[in-house]
Amino acid sequence: AQSVSQHNHHVILSEAASLELGCNYSYGGTVNLFWYVQYPGQHLQLLLKYFSGDPLVKGIKGFEAEFIKSKFSFNLRKPSVQWSDTAEYFCAVNNNNAGNMLTFGGGTRLMVKP
Amino acid sequence: KAGVTQTPRYLIKTRGQQVTLSCSPISGHRSVSWYQQTPGQGLQFLFEYFSETQRNKGNFPGRFSGRQFSNSRSEMNVSTLELGDSALYLCASSLLGLAGSSYNEQFFGPGTRLTVL
Repeated sequence: AQSVSQHNHHVILSEAASLELGCNYSYGGTVNLFWYVQYPGQHLQLLLKYFSGDPLVKGIKGFEAEFIKSKFSFNLRKPSVQWSDTAEYFCAVNNNNAGNMLTFGGGTRLMVKP
Repeated sequence: KAGVTQTPRYLIKTRGQQVTLSCSPISGHRSVSWYQQTPGQGLQFLFEYFSETQRNKGNFPGRFSGRQFSNSRSEMNVSTLELGDSALYLCASSLLGLAGSSYNEQFFGPGTRLTVL
């Protein structure tokens, strides 16, 4: 069975600081990778996705993520965070043999101080 | 285009009762998945329906069931409710049911907050 680990449960940053959230997965086959964000009181929204090709993917709101196959990692980055980035971030994995099933990591709560 | 809608948004039930939650996918989407979100267990996959057939099922007891109608709308049912079933239940829809394609991006609804007393 596949699993996803997010090592940082809570992160507190000041505005303009750089962000990197870690995500590691365990699955030996081909995977599709996602980062979702859940702003306070809002539903889950897709930040970015990786299916194939360039391992550095860019998403909305200035976020990007890098897929490193040898490390089974898909870390999320943003060079300069804003107060409005305060939210919970979820890494998710889908494998080609499981339909649309997503396996989520435990989430990382990001608080950005103004 | 309207997003995924879920009804009701909030629900309070007592132990032993049963509950039915409804999900209307984005128009044209044929795949519907359900997830349970709790503070302790995070987001966990319940099941996925595509063209009225259950395609995948997560690791939940048989008290959790679902179905999909010909118009792609889906319902999930939880029988004999337990306190631990208190959670946010999320529905997600996808254009197609093909994994590994560029179309399996899922769009999530706002969820139904179920409280079991």
